[in-house]
Amino acid sequence: AQKVTQAQTEISVVEKEDVTLDCVYETRDTTYYLFWYKQPPSGELVFLIRRNSFDEQNEISGRYSWNFQKSTSSFNFTITASQVVDSAVYFCALSEAKIGETSGSRLTFGEGTQLTVNP
Amino acid sequence: DTAVSQTPKYLVTQMGNDKSIKCEQNLGHDTMYWYKQDSKKFLKIMFSYNNKELIINETVPNRFSPKSPDKAHLNLHINSLELGDSAVYFCASSQDRVENSPLHFGNGTRLTVT
Repeated sequence: AQKVTQAQTEISVVEKEDVTLDCVYETRDTTYYLFWYKQPPSGELVFLIRRNSFDEQNEISGRYSWNFQKSTSSFNFTITASQVVDSAVYFCALSEAKIGETSGSRLTFGEGTQLTVNP
Repeated sequence: DTAVSQTPKYLVTQMGNDKSIKCEQNLGHDTMYWYKQDSKKFLKIMFSYNNKELIINETVPNRFSPKSPDKAHLNLHINSLELGDSAVYFCASSQDRVENSPLHFGNGTRLTVT
């Protein structure tokens, strides 16, 4: 069975601090996908990144960066120089690969980390 | 312009009533989903349809019935509503021809059962 653990329920930082959100996953699949989603106070779910299990390169997008380490089954998310607008709940999610099948993406979500960035 | 739209945004109703939530996507995606977010913000898949065919049906009470008239629409009908059904329900879609493509979510429907 798949499982995603986000051990940090809430994190509070002051603007301009760097913050890392942890994500640890469990799966028996050798091929899988990892995602991060953001849920701001307005409630919508915003896709941030998708990473497959064969690509362990870290990724940077502006102030966001992701560190995928297969050896520790972790896919951590760092926000550099945080801003008030980064305040949201962040979800890590896992999906097993369905190569050649049209069976959709069954995402297993972590419980989310509430990030509050104070001015 | 909205990619995945759900209506209504808020739904307040009494126990025992029947209600529906509608979802439409204009992204040309093949697969649509319903997810439930509980009061602790935990997200769990309920159903998935690919080209109008049910492909994922999690352990959901049979009071919940999804209906997909075409691949751009996936509605959720709930019979005999219970207090525990109060949650935020998210519709989503993905382009399944792209392997494990990201889900695009609607803005959610907050259902409150009194």
